[in-house]
Amino acid sequence: EVQLVESGGGLVQPGGSLRLSCAASGFTFSSYWMHWVRQAPGKGLVWVSRINSDGSSTSYADSVKGRFTISRDNAKNTLYLQMNSLRAEDTAVYYCARSHANKADAFDIWGQGTMVTVSS
Amino acid sequence: SYVLTQPPSVSVAPGKTARITCGGNNIGSKSVHWYQQKPGQAPVLVIYYDSDRPSGIPERFSGSNSGNTATLTISRVEAGDEADYYCQVWDSSSDHQVFGGGTKLTVL
Repeated sequence: EVQLVESGGGLVQPGGSLRLSCAASGFTFSSYWMHWVRQAPGKGLVWVSRINSDGSSTSYADSVKGRFTISRDNAKNTLYLQMNSLRAEDTAVYYCARSHANKADAFDIWGQGTMVTVSS
Repeated sequence: SYVLTQPPSVSVAPGKTARITCGGNNIGSKSVHWYQQKPGQAPVLVIYYDSDRPSGIPERFSGSNSGNTATLTISRVEAGDEADYYCQVWDSSSDHQVFGGGTKLTVL
């Protein structure tokens, strides 16, 4: 079964750090681009970051650039999101999603999400 | 940055047709994807590349894209179609993926 499973969410103080993981199974992880998308409570979907299949190219939303770092370990079939200097407005459910190796492609598989709460 | 505009809500009676729009500057030149999200669940892709349906998505779901508006059409609406729907594109100018604000579909 094709599956993405996020982990690593939790409660963190403003200014703190957190690393999210997304474990992939059921498909050739190294052939796909991967993304992080977040959703604040009661709000819409917001794209956060993208990484290409071999990890050589990344892109970030302006709101997280310089604070978040996306990476992947194809040997471990795992995607990561290192989040530093966290702010209250980063509070959201974070989803990982895959797309084929094309910037215009759709997100065809999503994880179930992991909740990040930034609060003192 | 590129902006996608969706109506906050659309209401439709069971068995009727729902149309959810997604507006953007010359969106007809972009590839539009649509996602369905039910409460407490992850989004699900329902239409990709303007009008293609993934396997497992009913034929009642269709899409179109032209000019400044893309449209998701749901025919013979069922109670189970009640959900939030999001359009999404890739903006080449910013190299960012962009989502619309979402539309809540209510089945009366």
